[in-house]
Amino acid sequence: EAGVTQFPSHSVIEKGQTVTLRCDPISGHDNLYWYRRVMGKEIKFLLHFVKESKQDESGMPNNRFLAERTGGTYSTLKVQPAELEDSGVYFCASSQVAGPGSGYTFGSGTRLTVV
Amino acid sequence: AQRVTQPEKLLSVFKGAPVELKCNYSYSGSPELFWYVQYSRQRLQLLLRHISRESIKGFTADLNKGETSFHLKKPFAQEEDSAMYYCALYYAGGTSYGKLTFGQGTILTVHP
Repeated sequence: EAGVTQFPSHSVIEKGQTVTLRCDPISGHDNLYWYRRVMGKEIKFLLHFVKESKQDESGMPNNRFLAERTGGTYSTLKVQPAELEDSGVYFCASSQVAGPGSGYTFGSGTRLTVV
Repeated sequence: AQRVTQPEKLLSVFKGAPVELKCNYSYSGSPELFWYVQYSRQRLQLLLRHISRESIKGFTADLNKGETSFHLKKPFAQEEDSAMYYCALYYAGGTSYGKLTFGQGTILTVHP
């Protein structure tokens, strides 16, 4: 079974530019989650999709962040315009049933550096 | 609001020594607690969860509701245990039934 795939693995962009991160969940997993870890801080929840619908986006930091999951398959997270404080590692996870007890699998993460 | 605290950012032990990674949480309900591990250049993966009460790779963790703690223990550390360890809390409530709340993580280094 293929795991959760994220790309790019690394991205370095200048402040003010736009970056789009992509997450491909495990096939058949309706639930998809985005998290991020900024330097020195804990991993924080950003949002949760159930199929193509946003179930919980309480962790999205501001309106510079836009997440989509068209068709309920892969998801993208766009940061526009990027700021220095957006640097960190962005993780995606997916699960068949909501909640971490059901094969909640993480991707390898995308390391974003804004300079 | 729920919160997870891992007081040690770094923990170093020698091979064969006991190791304990501390985790405290605050939550008024009955959460589920987990330990996740991230080895070098690998993805975050589940190590163990309190409701299964199992031992994985020699690690155990007991949920102490009185002290609101979920410390991770291993009697004899191995070099391959060197990794970043995260304690995480999960609860299902309202519209939130999928998210994990993580601590800051503890980097464990086991010296030969």
